[in-house]
Amino acid sequence: SQQGEEDPQALSIQEGENATMNCSYKTSINNLQWYRQNSGRGLVHLILIRSNEREKHSGRLRVTLDTSKKSSSLLITASRAADTASYFCATVPTGGGNKLTFGTGTQLKVEL
Amino acid sequence: DAGITQSPRHKVTETGTPVTLRCHQTENHRYMYWYRQDPGHGLRLIHYSYGVKDTDKGEVSDGYSVSRSKTEDFLLTLESATSSQTSVYFCAISDGRGPVTDTQYFGPGTRLTVL
Repeated sequence: SQQGEEDPQALSIQEGENATMNCSYKTSINNLQWYRQNSGRGLVHLILIRSNEREKHSGRLRVTLDTSKKSSSLLITASRAADTASYFCATVPTGGGNKLTFGTGTQLKVEL
Repeated sequence: DAGITQSPRHKVTETGTPVTLRCHQTENHRYMYWYRQDPGHGLRLIHYSYGVKDTDKGEVSDGYSVSRSKTEDFLLTLESATSSQTSVYFCAISDGRGPVTDTQYFGPGTRLTVL
């Protein structure tokens, strides 16, 4: 069963705008990660946030984690056409070893 | 995709035939994984390996088997392919630093069609 559910399923914005994607999960976790997938390609790791962290930044990416609500958000600031991709959250459930459980993804389209 | 290759990249086969997909890594990572990706389901773990000859089942392992005789190679076999196994298959690797910080690196995928 899916651990994570992303919202929205699809998002279309103009270049320069910010994009926010949300992820909810069901069980306690060791960490939560975000991955990007360009069309026809494999997934690329973007950022990892540990369960004891609340916010993390990497370049134009900002991730928040609220373990009390079992939710996370990914913010991409000043989006570019090259950010067009699918974005997946993935969790490492507590006691799940190194195994990732993926959500169903958000398709982001950034238009010029 | 650096350091991870999958072969073949595309395959069309018929129901009932065996199929083997290969994942090869040059990173000397301990952990290797096989996922399938289907619309509306995201990625689902099929099997994974935590060392040579050490493998375990994932969420959707029925109808699949794996083998790892060398650190660099992880094979996924569909014993008797069915149309429900039409999917895109991804291999991933990780160095197994631990469940708090471990991240995975993905191959380019294999698109399998079972007619």
